[in-house]
Amino acid sequence: GQNIDQPTEMTATEGAIVQINCTYQTSGFNGLFWYQQHAGEAPTFLSYNVLDGLEEKGRFSSFLSRSKGYSYLLLKELQMKDSASYLCAPMDSNYQLIWGAGTKLIIKP
Amino acid sequence: GAVVSQHPSRVICKSGTSVKIECRSLDFQATTMFWYRQFPKQSLMLMATSNEGSKATYEQGVEKDKFLINHASLTLSTLTVTSAHPEDSSFYICSARIIRDRGLNTEAFFGQGTRLTVV
Repeated sequence: GQNIDQPTEMTATEGAIVQINCTYQTSGFNGLFWYQQHAGEAPTFLSYNVLDGLEEKGRFSSFLSRSKGYSYLLLKELQMKDSASYLCAPMDSNYQLIWGAGTKLIIKP
Repeated sequence: GAVVSQHPSRVICKSGTSVKIECRSLDFQATTMFWYRQFPKQSLMLMATSNEGSKATYEQGVEKDKFLINHASLTLSTLTVTSAHPEDSSFYICSARIIRDRGLNTEAFFGQGTRLTVV
């Protein structure tokens, strides 16, 4: 079956760095997305990885290891507005996104 | 980046009535759009995949006669919740994907979502 595993909740301090891990099992693989979702809003795109390695985009970086079925999202210089849920979503062989429950990130001053 | 516009953002309707939600791709042609439903504190659940000019493909457990999907053009897909009931109250989100370079560059964009409350 298809499965996504992320921590349910994480807490970090403003200005710090946090890494949100994601392991996945899918039927085929066509890349992995990370989305940010604030409560009551639609997800917004953060990153897309299809090849192994690290993709850096400003304060956010995303890493992928296809052989390990593993990805992480790294958030630097945390700001209060980063408090949200972060969704790891791999894309299967049919180009469908597989969703987990996401990680709720709480930022404390 | 590409923009997907969803309307309305909020709707309250009476039980038994129908509600139509529109999803438009503003600056690209979306041959495939996806409709999701999200209950509070739960993950996104795919309801159906909508292909332009053909019938939508519904996920198991989703009633196709209740959730009517029309994808008449490359820029517009609609979801109509027919004979809505309170248990249909949820957050409905559409998404369109762009697959480029044989999958090496793929993006999936979301509409703003529609919060439906059935009273």
